[in-house]
Amino acid sequence: DTGVSQDPRHKITKRGQNVTFRCDPISEHNRLYWYRQTLGQGPEFLTYFQNEAQLEKSRLLSDRFSAERPKGSFSTLEIQRTEQGDSAMYLCASSLAWQATNYGYTFGSGTRLTVV
Amino acid sequence: AQKITQTQPGMFVQEKEAVTLDCTYDTSDQSYGLFWYKQPSSGEMIFLIYQGSYDEQNATEGRYSLNFQKARKSANLVISASQLGDSAMYFCAMREGRSASKIIFGSGTRLSIRP
Repeated sequence: DTGVSQDPRHKITKRGQNVTFRCDPISEHNRLYWYRQTLGQGPEFLTYFQNEAQLEKSRLLSDRFSAERPKGSFSTLEIQRTEQGDSAMYLCASSLAWQATNYGYTFGSGTRLTVV
Repeated sequence: AQKITQTQPGMFVQEKEAVTLDCTYDTSDQSYGLFWYKQPSSGEMIFLIYQGSYDEQNATEGRYSLNFQKARKSANLVISASQLGDSAMYFCAMREGRSASKIIFGSGTRLSIRP
């Protein structure tokens, strides 16, 4: 078990381009979460999946953002037509549903996005 | 709506001293849970300690303890005998209800340990 993996670790893109991030959760975890963290702030919830179903989305997740977890394993987060305000660290986390209550989530090291 | 407030943006502490990081929260739910996470410069959020709203004893995990004062809605983290490796960002967080479908975070406190 190698923990939660995120790829890439860093991404620099030009404004208007599309980007996609990947998250590989801990293999037996049925829940997967995406958070966004801007400089000097705590992580903000974006969305979460239980197995392949996307059960909740934050209003922070505009129409330009889409997340998938097609087979209930890895997940992708795509941002279309990136804007400078999208520059942030994107954190992925996973958990077992029962475990989240008392132990929270296991986080990956994040993907740092810079939009220039 | 639930809210987490951390009023200390940064703190400096001498190595081997104890340190208290403040956290207050607001929720209308009777069932909730409080967490503390550590985020070193590598970026990964590391779970430290958990306190449930119905737990009567304050949580402890090694050098970490959570000073839970329910009536005051505070959940301060106490680190005893601080070490240089404790230098990091610390976030207080809360889940509302039992489903833990969403955990919200405070803005964090940057702790720096002086040798």
